[in-house]
Amino acid sequence: AQSVTQPDIHITVSEGASLELRCNYSYGATPYLFWYVQSPGQGLQLLLKYFSGDTLVQGIKGFEAEFKRSQSSFNLRKPSVHWSDAAEYFCAVGSGGGADGLTFGKGTHLIIQP
Amino acid sequence: DAGVIQSPRHEVTEMGQEVTLRCKPISGHNSLFWYRQTMMRGLELLIYFNNNVPIDDSGMPEDRFSAKMPNASFSTLKIQPSEPRDSAVYFCASTADSLLQFFGPGTRLTVL
Repeated sequence: AQSVTQPDIHITVSEGASLELRCNYSYGATPYLFWYVQSPGQGLQLLLKYFSGDTLVQGIKGFEAEFKRSQSSFNLRKPSVHWSDAAEYFCAVGSGGGADGLTFGKGTHLIIQP
Repeated sequence: DAGVIQSPRHEVTEMGQEVTLRCKPISGHNSLFWYRQTMMRGLELLIYFNNNVPIDDSGMPEDRFSAKMPNASFSTLKIQPSEPRDSAVYFCASTADSLLQFFGPGTRLTVL
């Protein structure tokens, strides 16, 4: 069975500092990987996805993520965070790439300090 | 594009009552998913449909939960009878086989 681990429940970063959110997955074949963001009281918005090809993927809002097969990781990064980035971030893995259900990590709550 | 539409956005009910959550997927999308989000368990897939047919309902917690998709533009998730432990945010998502799921805003259910 596939699974996703986000080891950090909370992360606090100063505005303007760089950010890295960790994600490790367990899946037998080539995974389809996603990062979603959820603002308070809102639904989930897709930040970026990895299906194949270049292991460094660019997303919206200045985010990027790198797929590392050897480490079973798909960490999310941003060079300089803004106060508006404060939210809950979810990593997810899918077997059918979205045509099947996704398995989500528990999420990382990002706090931005002024 | 209106996105995925869910109603109601908030529902408060008493234990034992029937609850019906509604979802309208994005037009043209042929797969629909119901997820539940709780603090303890995070986001869990409950059931998903492809071309209005339920494909995998292994995530449905128990017989009190049922889901239907009578046509391509409408789905319901019903809980009967509801219990306090069903309190959660329920999300609907849809996709057009493009490998991307688009989520609705969710329904926050509180069962007293």
